[in-house]
Amino acid sequence: DSGVTQTPKHLITATGQRVTLRCSPRSGDLSVYWYQQSLDQGLQFLIQYYNGEERAKGNILERFSAQQFPDLHSELNLSSLELGDSALYFCASSTGRLIDTQYFGPGTRLTVL
Amino acid sequence: AQRVTQPEKLLSVFKGAPVELKCNYSYSGSPELFWYVQYSRQRLQLLLRHISRESIKGFTADLNKGETSFHLKKPFAQEEDSAMYYCALGLYGGSQGNLIFGKGTKLSVKP
Repeated sequence: DSGVTQTPKHLITATGQRVTLRCSPRSGDLSVYWYQQSLDQGLQFLIQYYNGEERAKGNILERFSAQQFPDLHSELNLSSLELGDSALYFCASSTGRLIDTQYFGPGTRLTVL
Repeated sequence: AQRVTQPEKLLSVFKGAPVELKCNYSYSGSPELFWYVQYSRQRLQLLLRHISRESIKGFTADLNKGETSFHLKKPFAQEEDSAMYYCALGLYGGSQGNLIFGKGTKLSVKP
């Protein structure tokens, strides 16, 4: 499968903990985007990386951070987790050209208890 | 501020009926608009984008800059069209490549 992949599919953890979500972009794509989908806020853009460098930041909390590695996979780190962080986290990738189509991964469902 | 509004949370139609999913946007620049679809338990997929002017699965959308709208239309709905539909606005400039999503409309097509 040459599409966007995300691991894990599901993650259950406790408040105060730290988790890492992983994303592998489509082959050839240089840009990776992270989105948070919750019932009340809908789909919210968090952050974008292009070829290893941060390109754009959205509504990302200071407790959250991300990075893109030389092999272009990306990780989203969520720390000091709160109940309200429970959501579906999507990764998307694109070639990185201006407003190119973004292709989404299946998402990671995070549950904070 | 940039914003995408989808006024209907839920739209229910019968098979064979026309369907229109509304999307309005607020953006001072030149808009790049998309419709994404999410079928049950599947990932978001691009349905269409206005710049390509394509018709996908019988759906079309026309950008109306005067009304700042990008409504999605299909003349005859099918049961397999039941899904969540998201309108998205692509931003240039400082948030290059970023998509602003509407809250989505759930389309239910009844037999």
